[in-house]
Amino acid sequence: QKEVEQNSGPLSVPEGAIASLNCTYSDRGSQSFFWYRQYSGKSPELIMFIYSNGDKEDGRFTAQLNKASQYVSLLIRDSQPSDSATYLCASLMNRDDKIIFGKGTRLHILP
Amino acid sequence: EAGVVQSPRYKIIEKKQPVAFWCNPISGHNTLYWYRQNLGQGPELLIRYENEEAVDDSQLPKDRFSAERLKGVDSTLKIQPAELGDSAVYLCASSLDLRGGIYEQYFGPGTRLTVT
Repeated sequence: QKEVEQNSGPLSVPEGAIASLNCTYSDRGSQSFFWYRQYSGKSPELIMFIYSNGDKEDGRFTAQLNKASQYVSLLIRDSQPSDSATYLCASLMNRDDKIIFGKGTRLHILP
Repeated sequence: EAGVVQSPRYKIIEKKQPVAFWCNPISGHNTLYWYRQNLGQGPELLIRYENEEAVDDSQLPKDRFSAERLKGVDSTLKIQPAELGDSAVYLCASSLDLRGGIYEQYFGPGTRLTVT
């Protein structure tokens, strides 16, 4: 079992709709979780991090964490074509301070 | 504020040749990471430095890979000899002290290595 799992997609969402990206993790000791956006041919850029159960909102982005179910999600409201990218979920492993990335989910916003 | 700088951006070499990558982190960031990213995969950590000390090199293939971070600032990653399977994008990232718990990791543009 991969330590951080994501559906590779592609996930196609109409422009203006809500895009929902999901991630599960195996290490119950993981404390912090990160969402990165990566455009094709570019390096990852941090969108949000979350470490408390519940929701965290930043503009059009909302990160959700459920430690009991070991999943993290990212919601993108009012999706724009510029949101088309690969979204990487990462967790900070408590046992060794290592950041583990998922494979990423490709998101395609349909104009 | 300048971001993480990496060079070269692209490198094509023949197998068995050596190659080196250079990284200059964001000023003041004492934690530096080297990642390798294969197509369709997430970044995989190769080595993490806190200042000059390599605190996690468990994923670094030490038979052919080496890294150094002199004076706790710039870092180089070397492969000798390169193999076909080393073709990937090598990413450098930096952050403030990890011990604070919550931190932000900033990535450089990466070096795309092609081994032929």
